[in-house]
Amino acid sequence: DAGITQSPRHKVTETGTPVTLRCHQTENHRYMYWYRQDPGHGLRLIHYSYGVKDTDKGEVSDGYSVSRSKTEDFLLTLESATSSQTSVYFCAISEKGGYTFGSGTRLTVV
Amino acid sequence: QKEVEQNSGPLSVPEGAIASLNCTYSDRGSQSFFWYRQYSGKSPELIMFIYSNGDKEDGRFTAQLNKASQYVSLLIRDSQPSDSATYLCAVNYDMRFGAGTRLTVKP
Repeated sequence: DAGITQSPRHKVTETGTPVTLRCHQTENHRYMYWYRQDPGHGLRLIHYSYGVKDTDKGEVSDGYSVSRSKTEDFLLTLESATSSQTSVYFCAISEKGGYTFGSGTRLTVV
Repeated sequence: QKEVEQNSGPLSVPEGAIASLNCTYSDRGSQSFFWYRQYSGKSPELIMFIYSNGDKEDGRFTAQLNKASQYVSLLIRDSQPSDSATYLCAVNYDMRFGAGTRLTVKP
């Protein structure tokens, strides 16, 4: 078990407000990822990290930023939330030949 | 053209039948292929991965890879209602996902 937890599990926020989602892992994995999942689109990579302070963009990074100041924590920030960012967000780590996902955060922007 | 394509379904099979899920990919240089299962409201979980042409079996699941035709498939034998879920195909270690195929197994 990768010991990966996401918080919060659910959040409703207003358009234009900043939002930060947290991913925490307990097993010192180097690579961490943020995905969003929307109907008809599957999972799309937002950003990923390959070490402390080492991050890179994925295919849908516009409007998102990330930070990784400690190995165990990978934060995803929506600087100014928009309705198009309403989605389910999954954090993942790389292990056992594939990815292990957190339980997800359901974000609604109203 | 999407990099990884799956039939969105829904695919419905009777209990005990073989369910066949297919995935095609556009990058001919792809080397690794993954199948995930996702129950409604839950996170994806890895079922199998395959790197070489041919078949790879794990219990009731068989992954089949044909690099020349650029497709990978997942067969589920003796399908059970508990197999009802969305199945996601992913390609390469940077995990390009298909949109998933929803499978329903009817008792």
